[in-house]
Parts: sequence; structure tokens; C-alpha cells
Amino acid sequence: DVVMTQSPLSLPVTPGEPASISCRSSQSLLYSNGYNYLGWYLQKPGQSPQLLIYLGSNRASGVPDRFSGSGSGTTFTLKISRVEAEDVGIYYCMQPLHTPVTFGQGTRLEIK
Amino acid sequence: EVQLVESGGGLVQPGGSLRLSCAASTFTFSSHWMNWVRQAPGKGLEWLASIKEDGSEKEYVDSVKGRFTISRDNAENSLYLQMHSLRVEDTAVYYCSRSSSGAYDVWGQGTMVTVSS
Repeated sequence: DVVMTQSPLSLPVTPGEPASISCRSSQSLLYSNGYNYLGWYLQKPGQSPQLLIYLGSNRASGVPDRFSGSGSGTTFTLKISRVEAEDVGIYYCMQPLHTPVTFGQGTRLEIK
Repeated sequence: EVQLVESGGGLVQPGGSLRLSCAASTFTFSSHWMNWVRQAPGKGLEWLASIKEDGSEKEYVDSVKGRFTISRDNAENSLYLQMHSLRVEDTAVYYCSRSSSGAYDVWGQGTMVTVSS
């Protein structure tokens, strides 16, 4: 199975400051079509997960442009340029390329 | 509004069975792979199963193979998860989700399954 490793697991951030989460996969997520099959999800407290970033770097519909995704192969990063209070929750990376689909452990973002 | 609504969760005894449903609306259900993902209390997300647009391909995580069956009815815009031989460790919120562009872009609100005697 592809192991997805996120860091940090806890991320306290002051509003207005940037934040960054790393996700590493044990196998490459770069497919022959040139796309990296890596997505980022946010689960706000008491809610279902929501898609933030797909194919490594594409913002999902309605996602603020303060969120950005980068990386290729086995190393990926989610960046929030200026954290807002509504960004609180658990962030997960997920790979759907290899079966079984696997998620990272989650990174809990909290406001300082 | 594109929507997925799960139902069918509840309390079941170990060894029992349960069938979850997921009703899709406001999109062409038959054009998307669909998935089940669960989340045990206080834990992370775990993928369970996926099914191709026409139901011809199904994939499962090893921990549910032989116990859970994913299926769909495109005429009814519905996704199902039949669960047998339930264990205490199957206790979780179960989400259905839609696949699009290599990601799970729509999620339901989840349905809680509790396996306990």
C-alpha cells in the first residue's frame, strides 16, 4: 500500500500568517499523462471533508486563492498564504492512483 | 446543487448486517466513479470501496473484502454499501463521495454505523 506521510501533525498559526503542510508518498503519484494524482482535503469541525486541491496543484471550485498546492512525484506541499479563522480543521492529503486509495494521517490546523 | 445524501446507518450487533444508501442529485450520476470512505470516532479517513460508472469494476480495501459489497443503480441515481459480518471496529461515520478529475469532489454528510452488543 502507498503510505502517505504528513507533517506537521499539529499546526498552530496566527491569523494572517502563512502555513505550510507537507505530504510525502511512498510511491510516485505521477501518472503517464503528466498529472500528479494527489489531492488535499479539509475537514472542518463537525463537517464532511471538502476538496481543496486536485491533481497536485489545481484549486477546486470555490476554494480561495490563498490556498495553493505544489509538488511532484512523491513530495507535495499545501500552502495557505494568509490563514483565516475559517481555515481551522484537519487537512488530509489523498492519493487515488494506486489501490488501495490512501490518506495521510491528517494535520490539525488551529488558530493561536 | 450537487448533492449526496447517505442513509441506512444505525446500531447493529457484532456479526450483523446493514445496507447503506447514497442518493445523488443534480448531476449525471452514471458518468462518475463513486466511492465509500469511513471515519472511525476521532480517527482519520479510510477508503473502503469504489465502483466504476457502469458498475463493471469494483475495488475494495483488504479489511472489508468478502464482507462489504459496493453497488449502484444508475436508474435510481443511488449508490449502496452492503455490509455483512460487522465488527466493533467497523464503527464509524460512512461517507459516499464522487470521483472527478482524479479527486473526490463531492461528499455526503455521512451516516453513523455503530457495531456494539
